[in-house]
Amino acid sequence: GNSVTQMEGPVTLSEEAFLTINCTYTATGYPSLFWYVQYPGEGLQLLLKATKADDKGSNKGFEATYRKETTSFHLEKGSVQVSDSAVYFCALSDQGSGGSNYKLTFGKGTLLTVNP
Amino acid sequence: GAVVSQHPSRVICKSGTSVKIECRSLDFQATTMFWYRQFPKQSLMLMATSNEGSKATYEQGVEKDKFLINHASLTLSTLTVTSAHPEDSSFYICSAGRTEAFFGQGTRLTVV
Repeated sequence: GNSVTQMEGPVTLSEEAFLTINCTYTATGYPSLFWYVQYPGEGLQLLLKATKADDKGSNKGFEATYRKETTSFHLEKGSVQVSDSAVYFCALSDQGSGGSNYKLTFGKGTLLTVNP
Repeated sequence: GAVVSQHPSRVICKSGTSVKIECRSLDFQATTMFWYRQFPKQSLMLMATSNEGSKATYEQGVEKDKFLINHASLTLSTLTVTSAHPEDSSFYICSAGRTEAFFGQGTRLTVV
């Protein structure tokens, strides 16, 4: 079955530091890959996504590239801010789930804390 | 963007009672909604797929008689935890969407 393995946290960084959160996956077929963010007290929000190999998703300074050869989708940001403190989830969608209704397989989540 | 609203955000109940959690799509119709459960320091695990007008599809290992799902309209799915026990204490979250998955705020259930 499908699975997602992401770097365990917590991760604590100083403001303006470089961020990498590793994510690797196992899936049959050609899944779409996602990063979701959960700010304190809120629901999950889509941060970025990539739907095919070599696609790069980007949003709010975050980037991740779909690497089929290494089955990875690592999240990066060049300069983090205090407001980036949240839990980050890597996820994949099962392409066989019926198309437009996204059923997701999640990683465990990584808590990021950015200190001023 | 599309909004999914989940209620309540927190609930504490006594062991043996039942708790209902609502998930609403506020600005779109959702024929399918998904219910997830998250244990501390664990992944969000898919519990079931809620299908409007028909029975829910449960993942392996999820007790359908304990976690009752009703999807009576195109904008509302409910999850009822029946005869709750302390081991049912968890974070429950729903999602729905057509072009992407939109998530509710989640419900923190504590059974005492």
